[in-house]
Amino acid sequence: EVQLLESGGGLVQPGGSLRLSCAASRFTFSAYAMNWVRQAPGKGLEWVSSISASDGRTYYADSVKGRFTISRDNSRNTLYLQMNSLRAEDTAVYYCGKYTGYGGNPDGIDIWGQGTMVTVSS
Amino acid sequence: QSVLTQPPSVSGAPGQRVTISCSGSSSNIGARYDVHWYQHLPGTAPKLLIYGDSNRPSGVPDRFSGSKSGTSASLAISGLQAEDEGDYYCQSYDSSLSGHVFGTGTKVTVL
Repeated sequence: EVQLLESGGGLVQPGGSLRLSCAASRFTFSAYAMNWVRQAPGKGLEWVSSISASDGRTYYADSVKGRFTISRDNSRNTLYLQMNSLRAEDTAVYYCGKYTGYGGNPDGIDIWGQGTMVTVSS
Repeated sequence: QSVLTQPPSVSGAPGQRVTISCSGSSSNIGARYDVHWYQHLPGTAPKLLIYGDSNRPSGVPDRFSGSKSGTSASLAISGLQAEDEGDYYCQSYDSSLSGHVFGTGTKVTVL
């Protein structure tokens, strides 16, 4: 079964850093663009960042631009999200996701991980 | 506040048909960007229900259907079942924000 498994969440103080990882299995990871989406407690889904399949183009929501960095290691089938200068409003469940690759604009997310909780609090 | 507006809640009896609207503007849905729909049940990962406005991934029942017209899109659920209770989100792209956007979300309740 195609699977994404996030790790790296936890409690961090405001201004701190955290790196999330997302391990992919049972699909050709290098062939698909990937993304991070978050959901704050009691709120809706919010797109955070995306990365292209092979040329490393990256895209960010304004709310995280300059603070978060998305990257991928296709040799390790792993997606990352480096989060710096964390704020209380970054508290959320973070999901990694795989785009379908069907060619639409924008693409849809057909595989989601179970999510990892990030809490920013002193 | 999202640029894609959905009703906070919709409800229906088992077997009924409900629709969820996703209202946008000329910089997103009206610019002919694709719309996707997700189901998010409590304690689970979101699930893709509709992609490219009206296409169902394999395994999604044909009770779920999507459409788009002008600056709005809609998700219809026919033959409502208890297992359909949860949150539903539309998703598209906004050229003014230069990013993906999700709708505000709709909670579906089966009476």
